[in-house]
Amino acid sequence: DAKTTHPPSMDCAEGRAANLPCNHSTISGNEYVYWYRQIHSQGPQYIIHGLKNNETNEMASLIITEDRKSSTLILPHATLRDTAVYYCIVYNNAGNMLTFGGGTRLMVKP
Amino acid sequence: DAGVIQSPRHEVTEMGQEVTLRCKPISGHNSLFWYRQTMMRGLELLIYFNNNVPIDDSGMPEDRFSAKMPNASFSTLKIQPSEPRDSAVYFCASSFFRGATWGNEQFFGPGTRLTVL
Repeated sequence: DAKTTHPPSMDCAEGRAANLPCNHSTISGNEYVYWYRQIHSQGPQYIIHGLKNNETNEMASLIITEDRKSSTLILPHATLRDTAVYYCIVYNNAGNMLTFGGGTRLMVKP
Repeated sequence: DAGVIQSPRHEVTEMGQEVTLRCKPISGHNSLFWYRQTMMRGLELLIYFNNNVPIDDSGMPEDRFSAKMPNASFSTLKIQPSEPRDSAVYFCASSFFRGATWGNEQFFGPGTRLTVL
């Protein structure tokens, strides 16, 4: 599985967009980009995933660069409840296994 | 749907005792995963099952750990004998695995916080 790099922590003002970057320069053609988050004392929660096209759902948007070497998770209107550790994961769907790295700790402030 | 159910939510035991953690996956899911989370090592995959069969147990730390899935609605993770370094939060997750197709998101349970004294 391709490795990912990302900032260890970020701050965001409540109501503003939170943009979480992730670099995955060694991603291969059949590997997907998945985002999960873990709110304190809870299990990880799936957010969104994509292969090469940008994706949007009710929680977030995922922007993947054309060369697929990096991506950005966008929370359009961050709330205090979005404070969590966000994990960017790259893997091959056929493998059915997730490898969680250190994640980005997002702090949404009033 | 109640989601993934884990029991107990908290377990405190003494070194040397046997510990059994339980998991009920989401109905209809065919894959089940056991993870362990500590401050030092983060979230680690221990073992996963597909259609009740263990597929990859390379993350199981040693022979003291064992996992079973006797049917599609129940799995256990057993530690015997337990040691203080086993103290962690243990998560169970399930998914509906279709192979290399769209949407293999895993749904996690609330976790079991294990403390071994």
